[in-house]
Amino acid sequence: DAGVIQSPRHEVTEMGQEVTLRCKPISGHNSLFWYRQTMMRGLELLIYFNNNVPIDDSGMPEDRFSAKMPNASFSTLKIQPSEPRDSAVYFCASSYWGGSYEQYFGPGTRLTVT
Amino acid sequence: GENVEQHPSTLSVQEGDSAVIKCTYSDSASNYFPWYKQELGKGPQLIIDIRSNVGEKKDQRIAVTLNKTAKHFSLHITETQPEDSAVYFCAVPTSGYSTLTFGKGTMLLVSP
Repeated sequence: DAGVIQSPRHEVTEMGQEVTLRCKPISGHNSLFWYRQTMMRGLELLIYFNNNVPIDDSGMPEDRFSAKMPNASFSTLKIQPSEPRDSAVYFCASSYWGGSYEQYFGPGTRLTVT
Repeated sequence: GENVEQHPSTLSVQEGDSAVIKCTYSDSASNYFPWYKQELGKGPQLIIDIRSNVGEKKDQRIAVTLNKTAKHFSLHITETQPEDSAVYFCAVPTSGYSTLTFGKGTMLLVSP
């Protein structure tokens, strides 16, 4: 298996622009998580899905952030408009809910907003 | 919600020494305790985990010990090697065990 796939790996954008991060979970996994990692705040859970349904989005910082999972093999995290404080590494992870608690992380997207 | 504290934040050791990282948690109902390793430029990866029905689990040079009474668990790495240099995270289940709350991480540096 290729593991969790994220794209792009790096994104540099200007303040005010829309940013879309993409994730393909491991085939057969039914839970998907979006995390943000910064030096100051560590690894924060933004939102998670079970069976393509958003279960808890209380970690989404504000309305500028939105996430979708239209099918079991694809999810997006969108920031509109982006701000410099959104600069971070964003990780997608997947797991099989009902089995192990282990989460499999993608390589991350490093976002820089100037 | 679950409160997870991890210490130390950084740890420097000489190759061959042992390293210990400790994590404390607040929810006494927690029964699953994983440790993740994050290498530079990569996502975290599970390296070992333990459930509350045992006090210790070993896998070659790494081990995890659990003290449920005191609500803490620790990662032990023996005979450290330069490739052990990474950031290590503890985690505890939350939200009905659907999600994990991660500690702030420990940067381990193993010098040759």
